[in-house]
Amino acid sequence: AQKVTQTQTSISVMEKTTVTMDCVYETQDSSYFLFWYKQTASGEIVFLIRQDSYKKENATVGHYSLNFQKPKSSIGLIITATQIEDSAVYFCAMREAVNNYAQGLTFGLGTRVSVFP
Amino acid sequence: EAAVTQSPRNKVTVTGGNVTLSCRQTNSHNYMYWYRQDTGHGLRLIHYSYGAGNLQIGDVPDGYKATRTTQEDFFLLLELASPSQTSLYFCASSDGTGGGNTLYFGEGSRLIVV
Repeated sequence: AQKVTQTQTSISVMEKTTVTMDCVYETQDSSYFLFWYKQTASGEIVFLIRQDSYKKENATVGHYSLNFQKPKSSIGLIITATQIEDSAVYFCAMREAVNNYAQGLTFGLGTRVSVFP
Repeated sequence: EAAVTQSPRNKVTVTGGNVTLSCRQTNSHNYMYWYRQDTGHGLRLIHYSYGAGNLQIGDVPDGYKATRTTQEDFFLLLELASPSQTSLYFCASSDGTGGGNTLYFGEGSRLIVV
């Protein structure tokens, strides 16, 4: 069964700096998909970025990028030039390709990021 | 704009009461999901559906029923609510095309069972 672990409960950073958060996953499948979501203070959950396991290049979207280390089953999220609005809880999630693609994602417990001026 | 809308946003009920949480999506997605979010447990999948009339069991289905009446509408039913079902519930939709398809979430429905 798939499992997603985020060991960092919370991180505090100064505005305009870079924050990195960790995520490790467990899967028996050779093909899988990894996602990062953000939950704002209002409770809204939004998709940020995705990494497909068969792709060697790290995904990048805006000021979000991933550090995909497949041998370590690790998918870190990097946020550069942080802004106050980046304060949120960040969730790592995965889906195994062996399962029906309609099946929902398995989520980690989240990392709370606080950005200070 | 494509969206997932949940109602009610907040609900308080008594133990043993009946609760229906509603979700409507305008994304034209075939797949819809109900999750619950609890401190220490994160987001856990309750039920999901491939389309109208279809229902699939998720990871924590006990105590919950669900019904998908149309492509747009997915309902979560708690027929005998218990305090352990106090939680924040999220509905989501996806197009289900390929493993990389992402979920789009509603605003959440907070349920308190006293």
